[in-house]
Amino acid sequence: QLQLQQSGPGLVKPSQNLSLTCTISGDSVANSDVVWNWIRQSPSRGLEWLGRTYYRSKWHTDYAVSVQGRITITTDTSKNQFSLQLDSVTPEDTGLYYCARRNTFMHDSFDVWGPGTPVTISS
Amino acid sequence: SYVLTQPPSVSVAPRQTATFTCGGDNIETKSVHWYQQKPGQAPVLVVYDDDDRPSGIPERFSGSNSGNTATLTISRVEAGDEADYFCQVWDSSSDHRLVFGGGTKLTVL
Repeated sequence: QLQLQQSGPGLVKPSQNLSLTCTISGDSVANSDVVWNWIRQSPSRGLEWLGRTYYRSKWHTDYAVSVQGRITITTDTSKNQFSLQLDSVTPEDTGLYYCARRNTFMHDSFDVWGPGTPVTISS
Repeated sequence: SYVLTQPPSVSVAPRQTATFTCGGDNIETKSVHWYQQKPGQAPVLVVYDDDDRPSGIPERFSGSNSGNTATLTISRVEAGDEADYFCQVWDSSSDHRLVFGGGTKLTVL
């Protein structure tokens, strides 16, 4: 059964970098029929897509305009995981961070989500 | 960019029918997905491509899409259905084409 397991700190100081990892079981990060995503949720912004990574003969990454320049998504095929790094965080980056699979066989819906990591940006 | 409009709340008694709307310009031309999010949990896909159900989702959950409104319907509502419900589409005018609605909170009376 497909599961996404998230890891990473829940408290980060302003101006520091946020790093989260999503470990996949039951699928492959290199599966060419899916896209791996980071999405965050906050009361002020609702559900906000941050970025994605996917493999189509080679690796691709795309980022939301709102975090472009501060975000990096990487993959580790040996550990079957993908990671988010968000640089120079501010209190506005506080929220619940999810990794999620977008499934092309289900009309590009997000069919599997990680449990979420609550992240607080505070000194 | 494309906007999806959802009412903030819906209340319904147990065993009645709950209806959630998702408004968008000519939304009938898009494929609409619906997610259920219970308190303290991650979203769960309950309907995709307007009216298809993922494996494991009860038949009580159904969807439709016409004109400027997509609809999620839960029949025979149970206390365990109490949650937030979000709609989502892909639209070429939005950042990387992804759009989420603001969500509707279902209260089971």
